[in-house]
Amino acid sequence: QVQLQQWGAGLLKPSETLSLTCGVHGGSLSNFYWNWIRQPPGKGLEWLGEIYHSGSTFYNPSLQSRLTISIDTSKNQFSLKLTSMTAADTAVYYCARGSYGPGKDHYSYYFTDVWGKGTAVTVSS
Amino acid sequence: DIQMTQSPSSLSASVGDRITITCRASQSISTYVNWYQQELGKAPKLLIYAASSLQSGVPSRFSGSGSGTDFTLTISSLQPEDFATYYCQQSYNTPRTFGQGTKLDVK
Repeated sequence: QVQLQQWGAGLLKPSETLSLTCGVHGGSLSNFYWNWIRQPPGKGLEWLGEIYHSGSTFYNPSLQSRLTISIDTSKNQFSLKLTSMTAADTAVYYCARGSYGPGKDHYSYYFTDVWGKGTAVTVSS
Repeated sequence: DIQMTQSPSSLSASVGDRITITCRASQSISTYVNWYQQELGKAPKLLIYAASSLQSGVPSRFSGSGSGTDFTLTISSLQPEDFATYYCQQSYNTPRTFGQGTKLDVK
């Protein structure tokens, strides 16, 4: 049973950089996409970006200039860096695994099936 | 970006009720839709992928349907543990956008 354990600083000042890491336990990074998703207090989910085990990345255009997702296969973990943090970036940040599986039509479909517990991040002066 | 619009935003129901949540995409996305359940203070849980495929371990009272732009999540007979918030997500392309959520509470 794959589990994701995430860690990083939870309180930042405006303009600082958020750094979070997600460790993958009980499974490999290979052949999966590794996501970061966030949820502001009382609001919905926002997909931030993902990285494939090979290192290919896909970012939300709204954050692309500030966001970097990286992967360390030797440590079986992946990380997020978000620069120039503001109060609007206050949220619970989740790491999650993206997988492909067959639909009823036997085509492959993408879904996010394993999630970390989330890290609450607050930006305040 | 593909916009996903859920309705209703909130819904009150009773144990045993049948309920349906709707998600509409801003463009045709075939059956590239996932549904998630989020209990308060917890991470989301995958229920349905590819619009209608039930994730392993999810009770059969959950079902999904739709293609193109219109999708539904149905719970056939509500159980106490089903009162939560539900999100759709498109997996057609990136950014993998979510609907705004539907909060299901006890009537």
